[in-house]
Amino acid sequence: DQQVKQNSPSLSVQEGRISILNCDYTNSMFDYFLWYKKYPAEGPTFLISISSIKDKNEDGRFTVFLNKSAKHLSLHIVPSQPGDSAVYFCAASENTGTASKLTFGTGTRLQVTL
Amino acid sequence: EPEVTQTPSHQVTQMGQEVILRCVPISNHLYFYWYRQILGQKVEFLVSFYNNEISEKSEIFDDQFSVERPDGSNFTLKIRSTKLEDSAMYFCASIPVGGGGYNEQFFGPGTRLTVL
Repeated sequence: DQQVKQNSPSLSVQEGRISILNCDYTNSMFDYFLWYKKYPAEGPTFLISISSIKDKNEDGRFTVFLNKSAKHLSLHIVPSQPGDSAVYFCAASENTGTASKLTFGTGTRLQVTL
Repeated sequence: EPEVTQTPSHQVTQMGQEVILRCVPISNHLYFYWYRQILGQKVEFLVSFYNNEISEKSEIFDDQFSVERPDGSNFTLKIRSTKLEDSAMYFCASIPVGGGGYNEQFFGPGTRLTVL
């Protein structure tokens, strides 16, 4: 049951360039989307989120784009830095009015090279 | 900056034994969650907890699992009789007052459970 998919298990980008991480979802009831970053032996750390009423949200070097018709979102990191090397998880939630769970993708391992 | 803490960081147990994983959520948070990640797989939702009761649970969260907030600060996950397939990283998460599902969840560092 892959409601949230990250089709690229890994991505390598040169320092200073743009990193683009992609995520697709199938559940049309999802209305809030988040990106988490995870280092080994640590818990996921929240990066940025977007509500389904928007198509773009920006926070510093991080921008998330949402294409509802395509059920696709992407995370852009510009410029990429070596410290950005981590596993990035896309997650989605459905507003059920209470403590909504997150449904995660399988993650994309980003390697930023010098 | 306040953070979610979890203990122990690593727990090794024999199959069939009971384990209790502990979490201390951020102090003004009201919604609590447990997730797990089997090695190489995605993070999966187990259970959410609000106002001293379970809000939602997944198919994974069967009768062998239970959660408790025994003293107003700790949030525990108990597995009564562990199986080999329970080996995973277990993450606790919480969201603040007024969460309602639209706030980002703050995760702890996880407990690695190894069942032998």
